[in-house]
Amino acid sequence: AQSVTQLGSHVSVSEGALVLLRCNYSSSVPPYLFWYVQYPNQGLQLLLKYTSAATLVKGINGFEAEFKKSETSFHLTKPSAHMSDAAEYFCAVSTGTASKLTFGTGTRLQVTL
Amino acid sequence: KAGVTQTPRYLIKTRGQQVTLSCSPISGHRSVSWYQQTPGQGLQFLFEYFSETQRNKGNFPGRFSGRQFSNSRSEMNVSTLELGDSALYLCASRQGLVTGELFFGEGSRLTVL
Repeated sequence: AQSVTQLGSHVSVSEGALVLLRCNYSSSVPPYLFWYVQYPNQGLQLLLKYTSAATLVKGINGFEAEFKKSETSFHLTKPSAHMSDAAEYFCAVSTGTASKLTFGTGTRLQVTL
Repeated sequence: KAGVTQTPRYLIKTRGQQVTLSCSPISGHRSVSWYQQTPGQGLQFLFEYFSETQRNKGNFPGRFSGRQFSNSRSEMNVSTLELGDSALYLCASRQGLVTGELFFGEGSRLTVL
């Protein structure tokens, strides 16, 4: 069985500041890890994914995440927040490319001027 | 290339009724998955279909069912609606069963009164 824990249901940052959204996973097998973003009244959009290749994964819109097996973490970062980054972010895990996704509870990112 | 299309986008039903939601995947995608999103339970996997066959199923009661047609379009049905079935139902498609990113639709928001 696998699970994901997202620390912090709400995160607020100033525009231009570092964005750090935390995700810890639990998996009995090597995991596949994903970050999705959801804007209001929209579906989910894939930001990036880790599938056992490079541990530092670069995604769209300037986001990146680092897979740390020793810490069972896959935190999402962006060096400089933009107002358009305000959305809800979900971390997800699966045990394979063909497997269902298990999502975290989400982190709502607020970006202030 | 058109994205995943879900209909209807919004609907209101009363307890005891049934509802059918439709999903048209991206052209060429043969796998369709359904997820339920609620404030309390978050995002939960319902089922996945590939080549008209259910390949994976989440932990939902039998009132939740689905099917896939030969053109890969999928429907999900919920019978004997309960208040707790109020949710955003998200459909996602991908090219194959073992490869490809999941692309999500904007969802069907169901309100049960």
